[in-house]
Amino acid sequence: AQSVTQLGSHVSVSEGALVLLRCNYSSSVPPYLFWYVQYPNQGLQLLLKYTSAATLVKGINDFEAEFKKSETSFHLTKPSAHMSDAAEYFCAVRKAAGNKLTFGGGTRVLVKP
Amino acid sequence: DVKVTQSSRYLVKRTGEKVFLECVQDMDHENMFWYRQDPGLGLRLIYFSYDVKMKEKGDIPEGYSVSREKKERFSLILESASTNQTSMYLCASSPRALMRRTHEQYFGPGTRLTVT
Repeated sequence: AQSVTQLGSHVSVSEGALVLLRCNYSSSVPPYLFWYVQYPNQGLQLLLKYTSAATLVKGINDFEAEFKKSETSFHLTKPSAHMSDAAEYFCAVRKAAGNKLTFGGGTRVLVKP
Repeated sequence: DVKVTQSSRYLVKRTGEKVFLECVQDMDHENMFWYRQDPGLGLRLIYFSYDVKMKEKGDIPEGYSVSREKKERFSLILESASTNQTSMYLCASSPRALMRRTHEQYFGPGTRLTVT
């Protein structure tokens, strides 16, 4: 069975500072990995995805994530936080041949001016 | 753009009522999903449908049923609503997964259901 752990349910960063959101997964087979963002009162929107090509994946709004197989991690970063980055972020994993996603518990990001 | 719509953004129902949540997608996707979202628990899969009239239980199907009579529409049914079903419900759709291609899921805006 797959599982996803997001360290920290809440993260507070200053505007302009680095954003780092941690995601670790467990999977018996090489997975596909996703980061989604949910802005207030909206559904989830895809930020980026890892699909066994390059291990460093770039997404929208200057976010990127690095797949590290040895650490079973897929941490999300952004060099400089913007006020508009305040949202909840979800890491998810899927088997290569599967249709279903398994989500982490989510990390809510607060950006301070 | 893929569009997934849900029939209501907010819904208030009484305990014991039968509740229908509707989801429609306009991209001819084979797969459709219903999740519930609760603080600290992320999204948990209730039911999944991979074709018309086909369904598969997710992680938390108890107290729910689903219906998929047309490819574009997937309904979630609470036969007898209870207070512990107060939650945010999210619908999603995706193309069928293929080994050499991956497709993300596309989400609707959610329905916040309150059962009193």
